[in-house]
Amino acid sequence: DGGITQSPKYLFRKEGQNVTLSCEQNLNHDAMYWYRQDPGQGLRLIYYSQIVNDFQKGDIAEGYSVSREKKESFPLTVTSAQKNPTAFYLCASSAGSGKASGETQYFGPGTRLLVL
Amino acid sequence: AQSVTQLDSQVPVFEEAPVELRCNYSSSVSVYLFWYVQYPNQGLQLLLKYLSGSTLVKGINGFEAEFNKSQTSFHLRKPSVHISDTAEYFCAVITHYTGRRALTFGSGTRLQVQP
Repeated sequence: DGGITQSPKYLFRKEGQNVTLSCEQNLNHDAMYWYRQDPGQGLRLIYYSQIVNDFQKGDIAEGYSVSREKKESFPLTVTSAQKNPTAFYLCASSAGSGKASGETQYFGPGTRLLVL
Repeated sequence: AQSVTQLDSQVPVFEEAPVELRCNYSSSVSVYLFWYVQYPNQGLQLLLKYLSGSTLVKGINGFEAEFNKSQTSFHLRKPSVHISDTAEYFCAVITHYTGRRALTFGSGTRLQVQP
């Protein structure tokens, strides 16, 4: 089955610690995205990547970093600089073909990050 | 810049009643529009999308939406809801221009179906 996997489902972070959230897709999609979800605020874009070895900051990139070394993988690191990391993190991908049909984004199951 | 407004944060409705979840967007250029559903502690599932063509779009689970360009709206409707439709619904938009291709989301509408 094609899809997007995120791991772990729950992640705990200690003060001053960096943590990395995994996102893998086997849909052969070019574009991948990271969103943060807080209660009552919808989803906000952290980073996105339209092609391997390239990524762009979204609206709330401070305190986060990403890499895109492989087409199928787009890990997100929450650094110690992110002072309020508790949230639900969602990864998505799209074909990014340049056609309208390639704009549809498909989401993974999410990772809930909690601060100890 | 584009934005999306979901006018109702919560919509309570009785089972088998019709429902409409409202969505308005602001954009000076043409857009693609989406509705997603989220069940508790899960990711987002695509309900339906408007890319071009007919302004009435049918999706999964009996939902449909109508794109109204003059009113910049994309309201979601279902003629008869079930208990299992209880979830959070998000409207999202992406514009027809090159550059940033990420979605802009509304703040969500929680649909509460009561027996």
